[in-house]
Amino acid sequence: DAGVIQSPRHEVTEMGQEVTLRCKLISGHNSLFWYRQTMMRGLELLIYFNNNVPIDDSGMPEDRFSAKMPNASFSTLKIQPSEPRDSAVYFCASSLHPYGYTFGSGTRLTVV
Amino acid sequence: GIQVEQSPPDLILQEGANSTLRCNFSDSVNNLQWFHQNPWGQLINLFYIPSGTKQNGRLSATTVATERYSLLYISSSQTTDSGVYFCAVGRTNDMRFGAGTRLTVKP
Repeated sequence: DAGVIQSPRHEVTEMGQEVTLRCKLISGHNSLFWYRQTMMRGLELLIYFNNNVPIDDSGMPEDRFSAKMPNASFSTLKIQPSEPRDSAVYFCASSLHPYGYTFGSGTRLTVV
Repeated sequence: GIQVEQSPPDLILQEGANSTLRCNFSDSVNNLQWFHQNPWGQLINLFYIPSGTKQNGRLSATTVATERYSLLYISSSQTTDSGVYFCAVGRTNDMRFGAGTRLTVKP
């Protein structure tokens, strides 16, 4: 298996633009998690899905953030409009409970 | 929510030394996992260990769930062990991360 695949690896965008981050789960995994990592706040859980259904989105910072899971193997995290404070590394992880998480390589987002 | 505390925050070792990293958590958990974030930023799964003891080569981990802590042991450390070690815990499928222990192994 190729593991959890995230794209793009790096994204630089201007403030106000829409940003879409993508994640492909490991085949057979049924849970998907989006995390954000910053120096100030560490690794924060933004949202997670079980069987394509959003379970907890209390970590989503504000309405500018949205996440979808249109099928069992793919998810997107969208920021619209983006702001400089959204700059961070965004990770997704998938799991098949109870075997723990596997993380993707992350997307480094820079909003200028 | 569950609070996760990791200690020490920073650790510097000479190559070949042993170390113990600790993770304390504030409530009962059903999930606990240790990760290593390497200098390139990748998060590598080390152990999924909500209870008991596991070993993988020079690394081992023990979780005492009733006392709400977990320990990660690194023996005969190598420079490639450098990076940040995270503990993540949760009651349900989602997990919360500690702030990590930054390990530097000097040759």
